[in-house]
Amino acid sequence: GNSVTQMEGPVTLSEEAFLTINCTYTATGYPSLFWYVQYPGEGLQLLLKATKADDKGSNKGFEATYRKETTSFHLEKGSVQVSDSAVYFCALSDRGEKETSGSRLTFGEGTQLTVNP
Amino acid sequence: KAGVTQTPRYLIKTRGQQVTLSCSPISGHRSVSWYQQTPGQGLQFLFEYFSETQRNKGNFPGRFSGRQFSNSRSEMNVSTLELGDSALYLCASSSYRGIGTDTQYFGPGTRLTVL
Repeated sequence: GNSVTQMEGPVTLSEEAFLTINCTYTATGYPSLFWYVQYPGEGLQLLLKATKADDKGSNKGFEATYRKETTSFHLEKGSVQVSDSAVYFCALSDRGEKETSGSRLTFGEGTQLTVNP
Repeated sequence: KAGVTQTPRYLIKTRGQQVTLSCSPISGHRSVSWYQQTPGQGLQFLFEYFSETQRNKGNFPGRFSGRQFSNSRSEMNVSTLELGDSALYLCASSSYRGIGTDTQYFGPGTRLTVL
């Protein structure tokens, strides 16, 4: 079955440091890949996505590239801010070939990021 | 455009009771999915509804059920609550435009506590 593995957390950085959160996946077919972010007491917000190999998703200074050869989708940001403190989830969506087959998101364990001023 | 809304935001129930959670998707979205989030198990898929039909189901006992109405609003029901059902229940909606194009947008969740 499908699975997503994220680097173990928590991650603590100083403001303006470089961020990498590793994510690797196992899937049949050709999944779409996502990063979601969850702030305390809130639901999940879509951060970025990529739907095919070599696509790069980007948003708010965050980037991730869909690497089929290494089955990875690592999240990066060049300079983190205190406001980036949150839990980050890597996820994949592997819709079946039939329109009626539906889809589901498979999530990684989540990585808690704390950015100190 | 308004986002996904979930009601209520917080619920406290006792073991053995049942509970119904509600979700209103983004206008125009016809697919609604439900997820359970717990510290121990993380985020787990419950089920997905599209055009009032359950299209996909996760590995949860039959005590967990759902439905979708003609206006795409969805409800999930948990009967005979157990302590382990305490969790954040998240609803997500997407606008299906073809295979591989779905992106799911999440609501704020309903925090269920079972005593």
